[in-house]
Amino acid sequence: EPEVTQTPSHQVTQMGQEVILRCVPISNHLYFYWYRQILGQKVEFLVSFYNNEISEKSEIFDDQFSVERPDGSNFTLKIRSTKLEDSAMYFCVSSDGRGGTDTQYFGPGTRLTVL
Amino acid sequence: QKEVEQNSGPLSVPEGAIASLNCTYSDRGSQSFFWYRQYSGKSPELIMSIYSNGDKEDGRFTAQLNKASQYVSLLIRDSQPSDSATYLCAVNPGYGGSQGNLIFGKGTKLSVKP
Repeated sequence: EPEVTQTPSHQVTQMGQEVILRCVPISNHLYFYWYRQILGQKVEFLVSFYNNEISEKSEIFDDQFSVERPDGSNFTLKIRSTKLEDSAMYFCVSSDGRGGTDTQYFGPGTRLTVL
Repeated sequence: QKEVEQNSGPLSVPEGAIASLNCTYSDRGSQSFFWYRQYSGKSPELIMSIYSNGDKEDGRFTAQLNKASQYVSLLIRDSQPSDSATYLCAVNPGYGGSQGNLIFGKGTKLSVKP
């Protein structure tokens, strides 16, 4: 069964440092997303990405965040100048975007800890 | 503010019983509805999607949608201890197409007692 992979599984960083979270979506999927889940809280949408550009982003996704698909396979989330409140699980989601019968997959997540 | 509300539980049912999980949403124009299962420390796993009013069955799972009441439910028949997890309701407020910006509820924690 196809799966989304994410690396690293756990990232520890100091406040103010930059981190890059990496994802390899399902190879023939077209839509990619990042969500986050702070411990004990809801899963929250961050950003969606289609055709090599951001299609939608939430209020959380401010100038501190950026996404890119540098080589046609990897999909990355960069967080500049991390803050304590950025500590969360970050999930990459891949979708075939067929509509109606849309099927999407969550990756296993990267746990980000900001000290 | 678009909201998805769920009873946080915990909901405790005996093995073999029917577990009933409920969800309400605020955006009347929402089109796509999903149930995810999340084990502790793991990522959400899609178990059901539903797009039109009525019931949709898949194995032991039945999703029910009532758009007039803005209500979605999930029934789990013959509950097993392995069903013990947090069940997340998610709503796509957009129309058809890719799931896009999903709005999640906080989840209902289900515990199935042997």
